[in-house]
Amino acid sequence: GENVEQHPSTLSVQEGDSAVIKCTYSDSASNYFPWYKQELGKRPQLIIDIRSNVGEKKDQRIAVTLNKTAKHFSLHITETQPEDSAVYFCAASRGSGGSNYKLTFGKGTLLTVNP
Amino acid sequence: KAGVTQTPRYLIKTRGQQVTLSCSPISGHRSVSWYQQTPGQGLQFLFEYFSETQRNKGNFPGRFSGRQFSNSRSEMNVSTLELGDSALYLCASRSIDTQYFGPGTRLTVL
Repeated sequence: GENVEQHPSTLSVQEGDSAVIKCTYSDSASNYFPWYKQELGKRPQLIIDIRSNVGEKKDQRIAVTLNKTAKHFSLHITETQPEDSAVYFCAASRGSGGSNYKLTFGKGTLLTVNP
Repeated sequence: KAGVTQTPRYLIKTRGQQVTLSCSPISGHRSVSWYQQTPGQGLQFLFEYFSETQRNKGNFPGRFSGRQFSNSRSEMNVSTLELGDSALYLCASRSIDTQYFGPGTRLTVL
């Protein structure tokens, strides 16, 4: 089955700096890659996603890049703010929208933004 | 639209008991997935239901089961509870690719 590795497990940055979280996946058939943010005591919330036909996607201060050949994808957060502090999860799935859809999650990255 | 809801939010049970958790998806979503979240193992996929049929299953023992009703609401059952079943159980409903999580049920097994 799919295996998703996520690094680093913890990341501490100063407010205004950039943060990068990296994930690798094992199943070359995976074609959908979402990122979730989970604040303490709250549900995971989708912040951005990318499909395998796209190499990069950006939404304001957040961007995700995908390298299908190397089977890795990354989350980039620029101009970090204290409210960005949370646990971030990457995930991968094959069968975008279909019956083979099954999200496999990385173990998460605890991001702390120091004011 | 109302979001995904789960009941109850908190549960305390003892070893050997069984428990049933409930999930109501976003209106119009026919897919409901269940996940177990623990500090050590992260988010692990339990199973997915679509139109009342289990479509995918993760690597959990048969003590974990589920079902889905014709209105897409789903229940998850865990029988013969073990201490290691203590976790946050999240359900999520899906439209095409985008999956939305509920607030979770925090299960504590004593």
